[in-house]
Amino acid sequence: DTGVSQNPRHKITKRGQNVTFRCDPISEHNRLYWYRQTLGQGPEFLTYFQNEAQLEKSRLLSDRFSAERPKGSFSTLEIQRTEQGDSAMYLCASSLAGGQNEQFFGPGTRLTVL
Amino acid sequence: AQTVTQSQPEMSVQEAETVTLSCTYDTSENNYYLFWYKQPPSRQMILVIRQEAYKQQNATENRFSVNFQKAAKSFSLKISDSQLGDTAMYFCAFMKEGTYKYIFGTGTRLKVLA
Repeated sequence: DTGVSQNPRHKITKRGQNVTFRCDPISEHNRLYWYRQTLGQGPEFLTYFQNEAQLEKSRLLSDRFSAERPKGSFSTLEIQRTEQGDSAMYLCASSLAGGQNEQFFGPGTRLTVL
Repeated sequence: AQTVTQSQPEMSVQEAETVTLSCTYDTSENNYYLFWYKQPPSRQMILVIRQEAYKQQNATENRFSVNFQKAAKSFSLKISDSQLGDTAMYFCAFMKEGTYKYIFGTGTRLKVLA
């Protein structure tokens, strides 16, 4: 499968715990994005990388959230001290610089904070 | 700040019929892109159609076409000959030129009835 993959697909955690999600983009894509989607809403932008550089972060990304893309390939999104309000679907997408701005989405990681 | 509004939370259409999903947006930008994404149940989002704001001609992709009214800031999606596989959430999205993040609407849940 050459699409965007995300792991885990589902994560249930207790409030206060730390969680980490992984995204593997399409191999030749140099841009990678994270979005958050809550029930009944469209995805909201969190952050994006070009290669290993994190170029933009939304104010939605509080200091409990951190994202990395250490070698310009896969990315991780960590949430520290989870809160119930963090429960959402976390979507990763990738695109090719110079492409037609189309982003290819992964299946998402559904986080439930108890 | 840009906003995207989808005023139809749910719609249904009979198989083989035509349906139009509405989307309006607010921006002061002149150069931007508009997209419709489809999110089937429990599956990842895929691009349906895109439109560059500088193009007057409406985009078409097989059974999918848009009615882009730049002055009215309207971007509706028409699905002709609806098929059961068109059942999904449909999101309208805006991207300002020179940025790489989508701004999504809240989505329209479309159900195609046999």
